[in-house]
Amino acid sequence: DSGVTQTPKHLITATGQRVTLRCSPRSGDLSVYWYQQSLDQGLQFLIQYYNGEERAKGNILERFSAQQFPDLHSELNLSSLELGDSALYFCASSAHPRGSVSEQYFGPGTRLTVT
Amino acid sequence: AQKVTQAQTEISVVEKEDVTLDCVYETRDTTYYLFWYKQPPSGELVFLIRRNSFDEQNEISGRYSWNFQKSTSSFNFTITASQVVDSAVYFCALRGGGADGLTFGKGTHLIIQP
Repeated sequence: DSGVTQTPKHLITATGQRVTLRCSPRSGDLSVYWYQQSLDQGLQFLIQYYNGEERAKGNILERFSAQQFPDLHSELNLSSLELGDSALYFCASSAHPRGSVSEQYFGPGTRLTVT
Repeated sequence: AQKVTQAQTEISVVEKEDVTLDCVYETRDTTYYLFWYKQPPSGELVFLIRRNSFDEQNEISGRYSWNFQKSTSSFNFTITASQVVDSAVYFCALRGGGADGLTFGKGTHLIIQP
């Protein structure tokens, strides 16, 4: 158990809908990262937040957004969903903003299925 | 741009054999960090090791060992005396000195047959 929690575990929704994925980092970790794992693209970094502020952006679509709240939990919002958005979404956390001396620990993931 | 290549898509060995998973990386950063993660059938990503670019010492942890060679931009992972529980997808990842997100390879699916 990495200490990172994600809810829900599974999510099934229809095209065009909007969903919110939730992540709670390990106790004491200030950085939260979101990744998408799909068969086509593999594991891709989406976005990072540190102590409530956006820190880095990866291959995140404009239809996707995220935020980190004062209690450090984070939410990833996916809107206007398409079939291609079906994937496993991981949240990870680390103690240091650049992670130069700490690893990223991953949550169990949320499997999103868009029908 | 950064890139991680895991050329071996799938490896199948019989239990107790040694197996090496290859990882080749590309980066223009002088400071960077390399990682290996394990993804068992249950789906979670489990951290195995981090290596800093300025530390080329090889590392051994039980049956696991890692060979980091800057000259060939490789960070290979060897499992000695493999066990069925080692069956998983293994990912090599790279993090540049200035970037925070990890760049992952496509993964190597390791199958250990009893």
